[in-house]
Amino acid sequence: DGGITQSPKYLFRKEGQNVTLSCEQNLNHDAMYWYRQDPGQGLRLIYYSQIVNDFQKGDIAEGYSVSREKKESFPLTVTSAQKNPTAFYLCASSMDTDRGYGYTFGSGTRLTVV
Amino acid sequence: GQSLEQPSEVTAVEGAIVQINCTYQTSGFYGLSWYQQHDGGAPTFLSYNALDGLEETGRFSSFLSRSDSYGYLLLQELQMKDSASYFCAVRGSGYSTLTFGKGTMLLVSP
Repeated sequence: DGGITQSPKYLFRKEGQNVTLSCEQNLNHDAMYWYRQDPGQGLRLIYYSQIVNDFQKGDIAEGYSVSREKKESFPLTVTSAQKNPTAFYLCASSMDTDRGYGYTFGSGTRLTVV
Repeated sequence: GQSLEQPSEVTAVEGAIVQINCTYQTSGFYGLSWYQQHDGGAPTFLSYNALDGLEETGRFSSFLSRSDSYGYLLLQELQMKDSASYFCAVRGSGYSTLTFGKGTMLLVSP
């Protein structure tokens, strides 16, 4: 079955460490997205990518980096510059021609700073 | 930019009908979407309105009024499994990414 796989489900990071969250999709979707979710804050866009080797900053990109070397993969690195990284991270994908519906989300990675 | 307002929490009993409202401000508009998220899970797509009016999908319906920048999600014959958070989202101008509201937590009691 097609879908989006995020790993790991839970991740613990020490202060000053970079960590990378994995996101893989087999839906043949062109566009991929990373959102951050905090309690009571809804989903906020970190980065998005429309095509391979291209990506754009979202509303809260500071302290994060991404790459899009393959259509299927869109990993997110949380760098030590992100001062408050503890959150639930959601990856999503959609067909480029969508006009507002059809986002498919992964099951998320819960990152905790220890 | 875009902003959306929706109630933070709504409570109802099994079998009842509940309406979750969403008002939005956006530069350009391509449609209003609704997503459901159970605690700790992935958001799942429920419905989409690009034009004014009511869209019905089983027990769920969604309404849009573009002139009022307003929409709502209507859930009928509520079941315990409907207890979840519900997010409205809009896609504005330019390359279209979704902007989400802060979510409405629906609590369904027996």
